[in-house]
Amino acid sequence: GNSVTQMEGPVTLSEEAFLTINCTYTATGYPSLFWYVQYPGEGLQLLLKATKADDKGSNKGFEATYRKETTSFHLEKGSVQVSDSAVYFCALSQGAQKLVFGQGTRLTINP
Amino acid sequence: GAGVSQSPSNKVTEKGKDVELRCDPISGHTALYWYRQRLGQGLEFLIYFQGNSAPDKSGLPSDRFSAERTGESVSTLTIQRTQQEDSAVYLCASSFSGLGTTEAFFGQGTRLTVV
Repeated sequence: GNSVTQMEGPVTLSEEAFLTINCTYTATGYPSLFWYVQYPGEGLQLLLKATKADDKGSNKGFEATYRKETTSFHLEKGSVQVSDSAVYFCALSQGAQKLVFGQGTRLTINP
Repeated sequence: GAGVSQSPSNKVTEKGKDVELRCDPISGHTALYWYRQRLGQGLEFLIYFQGNSAPDKSGLPSDRFSAERTGESVSTLTIQRTQQEDSAVYLCASSFSGLGTTEAFFGQGTRLTVV
């Protein structure tokens, strides 16, 4: 079945550091790929998505590129802020099927 | 409503009791999902509704778990004879149609503690 594997946390960085959170997936065909974020005390919300190979999703300075050849969708940000501290989830879905999530990566940014 | 609403936000129950969790999806969203998030773990799929039918309930962990949905509106997740391992945050999400490219909107969750 479909699955998502993402970088284990927790990840702790200093403000303005470069961020990468790795995500790889297993799926037949061409799933859509998502990054969701859960800020402290808040519900899960969509950060960005990509629906086909080579698409780049971007939002709030974060980017992720759908790489079919490596089955990856790594999340990157050039300069993180304290307000980026949250738990990040990589996910995939195919057609009308459920979202399949990775384990989540807790990110803490220190001033 | 403006977003997905779940109630209660917190529930503490004694082992062996039944609990009912409620989800109000965004108006007009035909698809509704229940997930479970145990402490420090990822999201575990439970059940998916399209309208009031459930084409995928493969994630329900046992026959103690059941869910219903009224039309394209409220859903309730019922856990009978709760056990300590049922303690988790139960998340509900809705989307305009089945997923794929459509964004799912999540509620704040119900934190269930079984003592």
